[in-house]
Amino acid sequence: AQTVTQSQPEMSVQEAETVTLSCTYDTSESNYYLFWYKQPPSRQMILVIRQEAYKQQNATENRFSVNFQKAAKSFSLKISDSQLGDTAMYFCAFYYSGGGADGLTFGKGTHLIIQP
Amino acid sequence: DSGVTQTPKHLITATGQRVTLRCSPRSGDLSVYWYQQSLDQGLQFLIQYYNGEERAKGNILERFSAQQFPDLHSELNLSSLELGDSALYFCASSAGHRMNTGELFFGEGSRLTVL
Repeated sequence: AQTVTQSQPEMSVQEAETVTLSCTYDTSESNYYLFWYKQPPSRQMILVIRQEAYKQQNATENRFSVNFQKAAKSFSLKISDSQLGDTAMYFCAFYYSGGGADGLTFGKGTHLIIQP
Repeated sequence: DSGVTQTPKHLITATGQRVTLRCSPRSGDLSVYWYQQSLDQGLQFLIQYYNGEERAKGNILERFSAQQFPDLHSELNLSSLELGDSALYFCASSAGHRMNTGELFFGEGSRLTVL
């Protein structure tokens, strides 16, 4: 079974700073997907960024980028020029389509607080 | 707005009772997933339905059941409720039977409180 670990329960940074959220995972598979989801106080889970394991290039979406280290099984999220609206829970998630259960495996989450 | 609708948004009930949570997926999506989010267990995959058929099972208790109807909406039934069932229950949808693009569209969740 796959596991996802987020070692930072909470982080706090000042607005406009850059912050990096850590995620490690454990799998014996070679082809899979990794995601970062954001859950603001409104509760709705929103996809932030996605990375296919077979792609060596790190994914980027505007201010959000990842550092994907496949050999180290590490998948960190970098938020540049952080904004107050980035305050939320961030979940790292893993998906392998060849498994019996066809759902995402989530980490426990990191509560990110952007201070004004 | 993700296009996924969940009702009710909040529900308070007593131990031993039974509740039904409802989900309408995004227009055109055939897959519905149910997740449970609790403080101690985090986000856990419960079950997936695709076009009316059960597709995959995760950590779903025997007291819980789900179904997907011909109009593609889904219901999650929770029975013999216990205090530990208090959680946020999410529904998510995707177009295909596999998450090939990897993106799930989540509803706002149903907050269940068992007293």
